[in-house]
Amino acid sequence: AQSVTQPDIHITVSEGASLELRCNYSYGATPYLFWYVQSPGQGLQLLLKYFSGDTLVQGIKGFEAEFKRSQSSFNLRKPSVHWSDAAEYFCAVGAALGGYGGSQGNLIFGKGTKLSVKP
Amino acid sequence: ETGVTQSPTHLIKTRGQQVTLRCSSQSGHNTVSWYQQALGQGPQFIFQYYREEENGRGNFPPRFSGLQFPNYSSELNVNALELDDSALYLCASSLGGGLQGETQYFGPGTRLLVL
Repeated sequence: AQSVTQPDIHITVSEGASLELRCNYSYGATPYLFWYVQSPGQGLQLLLKYFSGDTLVQGIKGFEAEFKRSQSSFNLRKPSVHWSDAAEYFCAVGAALGGYGGSQGNLIFGKGTKLSVKP
Repeated sequence: ETGVTQSPTHLIKTRGQQVTLRCSSQSGHNTVSWYQQALGQGPQFIFQYYREEENGRGNFPPRFSGLQFPNYSSELNVNALELDDSALYLCASSLGGGLQGETQYFGPGTRLLVL
């Protein structure tokens, strides 16, 4: 079954420290992978996505993620965290919609990791 | 360029009632997907609309239904509300017809509380 696991429910880092948020996926084919961020009271904002090619993907706000097929992982990283990065982060896989006979798809999300930033 | 907008922002209903949530897609986007995000969970796919037809559906009962209009805006209707329907309902639009892997752009959501 297609799924996404984010092992860390809550992470606290100090401002200026590096960050790595973990994401593992289960998907039979080459995955389309996404990271979204959700600030309180707001919708989801796309940080970056991986479709194919270079396994190190650059996104907005200084984030990057690395696709590792052998580990079924797509971890999100940032070298220096800012207080404004405090939010909830969701990893998602773009999955095919079964039974529709076409190429339609939807997003399957992990449960999210809440990031707190200490001053 | 206008992003995805949703209305209302908050809503309180009682069990058994019906509710309609609205979504305007981002300019130029022809596909709308709806997600339910329960507290402490990631969003779960409800259904997707493309050219006014349901394009795909997740594991939600038939009392969750939707519409898409010629201007690509959309409605989510939920009948016979249950307490477990309390959640943030997110609308996302995309411009590729709902193809697997296409980027979806999310609105701010409607928070529904069922008492």
